[in-house]
Amino acid sequence: QKEVEQNSGPLSVPEGAIASLNCTYSDRGSQSFFWYRQYSGKSPELIMFIYSNGDKEDGRFTAQLNKASQYVSLLIRDSQPSDSATYLCAVITGTASKLTFGTGTRLQVTL
Amino acid sequence: DAGITQSPRHKVTETGTPVTLRCHQTENHRYMYWYRQDPGHGLRLIHYSYGVKDTDKGEVSDGYSVSRSKTEDFLLTLESATSSQTSVYFCAISTYRGRLDTEAFFGQGTRLTVV
Repeated sequence: QKEVEQNSGPLSVPEGAIASLNCTYSDRGSQSFFWYRQYSGKSPELIMFIYSNGDKEDGRFTAQLNKASQYVSLLIRDSQPSDSATYLCAVITGTASKLTFGTGTRLQVTL
Repeated sequence: DAGITQSPRHKVTETGTPVTLRCHQTENHRYMYWYRQDPGHGLRLIHYSYGVKDTDKGEVSDGYSVSRSKTEDFLLTLESATSSQTSVYFCAISTYRGRLDTEAFFGQGTRLTVV
C-alpha cells in the first residue's frame, strides 16, 4: 500500500464550479498535511497545510482533515482556468519528519 | 523560494559516469529532502536529512547516495548513472518549528539526462 494515495485524474470541472481533490494516507502517526500546486515544468508551490481535524480556509481554498478516516481533501471554490494544474498531497510522518507525496491529481478547469 | 538553490539546473551525462547534484539553503533549516519526479510517479523520495551527517533512505534510494557535512548543503550523488535515472530532481527543505508549525518549500529543480 502506498503511503499517500491520490486519484491521478484528470479531474475536469467547469469554470466557477467547486473542485474537490482527495487524498488518503496509510500512517496513523502522520502529523502534518500539505497541498501543493504544480504547473507543468515548474516546482511545486505550497497552497495550504493543516494539522488538526476539521476545515481550514484560505481564500478560495479549503483543506479538510479527518484523521479517523485518514483522509485529507482540498476544495477549490469558483474554479478558474488558472487553477488548471497538478495538485499534490503530502504528509509528514515520524520523528525525522519524513515528507512523502502522493502521485498528484491533474485538474482541468474548462471554459 | 525560502533561499533554496539547486545546481546544476540542467545536465546531460553519459551512462556509467558519477554525477553530483547540489542543494544549497541560506536559512539553516534542519530538514532537507531529495526527490525525483517522473511522469505517472509523482514525487518520489530518494533520501532525506534531519541534521548534519544525519540522513535516511526514501522509497527509491537504490543507486543514490547523499551527504550533508554542513547545514546549508545537501548533496545527491549518482555513483554510476544509468538511463533509468533520467529525471527531474527536486530538493526541498522543511521549516520545522514544531509539530504544528511546519512548511516545506522546493528548489527550482534539476533536469538530468543520462545518455
